Amino acid sequence: GESVGLHLPTLSVQEGDNSIINCAYSNSASDYFIWYKQESGKGPQFIIDIRSNMDKRQGQRVTVLLNKTVKHLSLQIAATQPGDSAVYFCVGGYQKVTFGTGTKLQVIP
Amino acid sequence: GAVVSQHPSWVICKSGTSVKIECRSLDFQATTMFWYRQFPKQSLMLMATSNEGSKATYEQGVEKDKFLINHASLTLSTLTVTSAHPEDSSFYICSAREADTNEKLFFGSGTQLSVL
Repeated sequence: GESVGLHLPTLSVQEGDNSIINCAYSNSASDYFIWYKQESGKGPQFIIDIRSNMDKRQGQRVTVLLNKTVKHLSLQIAATQPGDSAVYFCVGGYQKVTFGTGTKLQVIP
Repeated sequence: GAVVSQHPSWVICKSGTSVKIECRSLDFQATTMFWYRQFPKQSLMLMATSNEGSKATYEQGVEKDKFLINHASLTLSTLTVTSAHPEDSSFYICSAREADTNEKLFFGSGTQLSVL
C-alpha cells in the first residue's frame, strides 16, 4: 500500500476562511489519490479524488491540488463552515488503501 | 454516491462471547471489501482484505482465527470477533470497492464494540 502522511495533526480555521490541508506521499508510482472526511463516531466519507495525470480537480467548495514533483497533495476548502469540522485523510493507491494520521480541522465560529 | 451499510452500529457484549458485524454494499457489487479498526483519536488500521469467494488476506499482527471474515457474496462481508476480550473493544469500519470501477472506496458507518 501507499505510505501517506499528513503534515499537521490539527488545523484551526475561522469560520468563513479558506482551509488548506496538506499531505505527502512516498511512492512516486502512485497514480490515484482520494481525500476522505471522518466525523466523530462515523465512517470516512469520500470527498474528492484525483488521478496523477491531473494537477488540479475541483468539487463543490473543495479543490485538490497534486504536485507530483514534490509528491504533495493539498485539499482546499473554501468558506469553511462548522460542518467541515472533522478529521481529513488523504489515501493513495488502488490495491490496498491505508490511512495516515489524518488532520483534524477545527472551525472556530 | 454508493452506499455501504454496516450493522450493528454499536454492540456491548460479555467477555468470551462472539460478535458478528455485517457490511453490505446496497447499490453496487463489491469484489473487494476491507476491514479496519480504529482506536480513539487514532487513524484507521487496516485489518484484512476480503475478496468475494476466497479467503481473506490479513495484515501482519492480525489474528485470522480471532477475526473471522466471510465474503460469501458480492454484496456482503462479515467480520466475527471470536471470544471477545476487553482489549478488542474498538471502532470497526468496513469499506467496499466498486467492482466495475475498482477505484473508489466507500465506507460503512462503523461499529462500536464494547467488551465488558
